This record gives sequence, structure tokens and C-alpha cells, in this order.
Amino acid sequence: ETGVTQSPTHLIKTRGQQVTLRCSSQSGHNTVSWYQQALGQGPQFIFQYYREEENGRGNFPPRFSGLQFPNYSSELNVNALELDDSALYLCASSLGVRRGLGEQYFGPGTRLTVT
Amino acid sequence: DAKTTQPPSMDCAEGRAANLPCNHSTISGNEYVYWYRQIHSQGPQYIIHGLKNNETNEMASLIITEDRKSSTLILPHATLRDTAVYYCIPQDTGTASKLTFGTGTRLQVTL
Repeated sequence: ETGVTQSPTHLIKTRGQQVTLRCSSQSGHNTVSWYQQALGQGPQFIFQYYREEENGRGNFPPRFSGLQFPNYSSELNVNALELDDSALYLCASSLGVRRGLGEQYFGPGTRLTVT
Repeated sequence: DAKTTQPPSMDCAEGRAANLPCNHSTISGNEYVYWYRQIHSQGPQYIIHGLKNNETNEMASLIITEDRKSSTLILPHATLRDTAVYYCIPQDTGTASKLTFGTGTRLQVTL
């Protein structure tokens, strides 16, 4: 158990809809990163939030957006869902004391299915 | 980001040492080597990291070659619960903690 929680566990949406996924970081951690993992592949970095500001973004379109709150929990929002968005969405928290360092602690993920 | 090469799969008998190699010949001087594993249907789990010295913790040992072009993760006494996909990830201290996962090595521990 890492202390990182995600909700919901599973979600089914229709193409074109919008979805919000939530993540509570480990106590004391101020950095949250989001990853997308398609079936049979390794996780792909979406973006990271450090103290409520975006601190790096992967190769994902603007319809993927996020927020980090003062308590360091975070949301991932995806608009205009496409079939290829079906994946396991993982969040990871870390203590971003030094930029780029620090092990990341992952939550169990949210399984999103787009039909 | 440095490219990595890992064998796609390995087998290990329970109780024996599992040695998982990783080639990262293009690693730069400020990139650490991180190892994570992902047990089926769970989030990745941090194992260990190092820069140029060998490292050991309660989970594993990490051996990095002197030229830093390759490393080996050692699980000293593998158990069935160590069956997972293992990822070797060079991480630049200048990046935003972005982990670039490759395809990893699927380790199967058998009785």
C-alpha cells in the first residue's frame, strides 16, 4: 500500500463524453504525476503538477487537462473522449524537493473504457 | 532521454536469485537509473535507484557498471510474489520527474 488512492476504480463512458478522474496523494507529497497505460504497454506520462502548477507535460492533446488542489490532491479531466482513450489511468505522488528526483508512489489506477 | 534495452521475458525458480539486466548505453552523466516493477493489474512500484555506485535496500540490489552503460537488478531470493514486469528507467535530474517506461522484462517466478 502506497497511500495513494484513486477514484473511481472503473468507469465506462461513451465516445464524445467528458470524464474526471481523482487522485489523493500520499501524506506529505506535493507533486502528482498522471500516466496513461494502454493494454499491453508501459505507462505513458501525461503531465505533472507541483504545488498546484503544471510542471511538465507529455505528448497528449489539450483535451487532457488537470488540476491540483491546495491539499495536493489532483484531478485529470479528459474531454471529447475517443475510443483510444480506453486505458488504465495511473497517478503517482512524490516529494518534489529536488526537481526531477525522488521515487514516485503509484495508486492502483482507474480503468476507463470508452464505447 | 536515454534509450533502454531489456530482455522481454525471464524465468526464475523460487528461492533463487533473479538477475535482470538493462542496457542504457546512451545514459548521460546526470541521469540516475531507476527500477520499478508492475504486478498484474496494479500500479507500478518503486524498487531502487542509483547513479554510479552499487545500491542495496530491503527489496533488491542494483549493480551499475563502471561506464554506466548497463545495470543489473538483483532479487536475492525470488518468490512467487515477485512475478511482475520490471522496468529500468534512466531519469534526468533536470526533467519534471517524468518516468519514461519502456516495455520492461516480464519475470516469471516458478516453483
